[in-house]
Amino acid sequence: DGGITQSPKYLFRKEGQNVTLSCEQNLNHDAMYWYRQDPGQGLRLIYYSQIVNDFQKGDIAEGYSVSREKKESFPLTVTSAQKNPTAFYLCASSAFIHLNTEAFFGQGTRLTVV
Amino acid sequence: DQQVKQNSPSLSVQEGRISILNCDYTNSMFDYFLWYKKYPAEGPTFLISISSIKDKNEDGRFTVFLNKSAKHLSLHIVPSQPGDSAVYFCAARAGGTSYGKLTFGQGTILTVHP
Repeated sequence: DGGITQSPKYLFRKEGQNVTLSCEQNLNHDAMYWYRQDPGQGLRLIYYSQIVNDFQKGDIAEGYSVSREKKESFPLTVTSAQKNPTAFYLCASSAFIHLNTEAFFGQGTRLTVV
Repeated sequence: DQQVKQNSPSLSVQEGRISILNCDYTNSMFDYFLWYKKYPAEGPTFLISISSIKDKNEDGRFTVFLNKSAKHLSLHIVPSQPGDSAVYFCAARAGGTSYGKLTFGQGTILTVHP
């Protein structure tokens, strides 16, 4: 089945450590995105990539890094510089800009810093 | 600066009645609006969208209304069912941007009572 797979579903990290969240899609979408959700808040855009080997910062990129070496994959690294990393992270993908379509989301990864 | 606002954190409705969820926006560059439904610990799923050139879009029990002059949109669910109980997010996209680059509201928790 076509879709977006995020792994792991739950992730625990010690303070001061970097951690990488995986996102893979088989929808043949060119664009991929990372959002963060905090309790009682909407989703906020961290980074997005419209084509391979290119990505742009979203609204809250500080403390995060990404790579887009393959069309299907868009991993997110939460670095030790991110002050409040505990959150629910959502990956999404969408088709070309000129097609009228919506973004599809993965099931999310809940990151907890211990 | 909250560009998309959902001022009602929660809404409680009886099964079979109408649910009306509201959303206001401030950015005049937004030209496409979407509603997503989300269950806890899962990714959002797309419900319905509307382009700024329209004022209404229907899909089964779901209808979205857009009032551009008031910068207001609403989602009507008729009739409401217990399975509709979830968090509903309003999202907006500015013209010329990637389809998944969305600005989200804070969400409204809908509870439909049997």
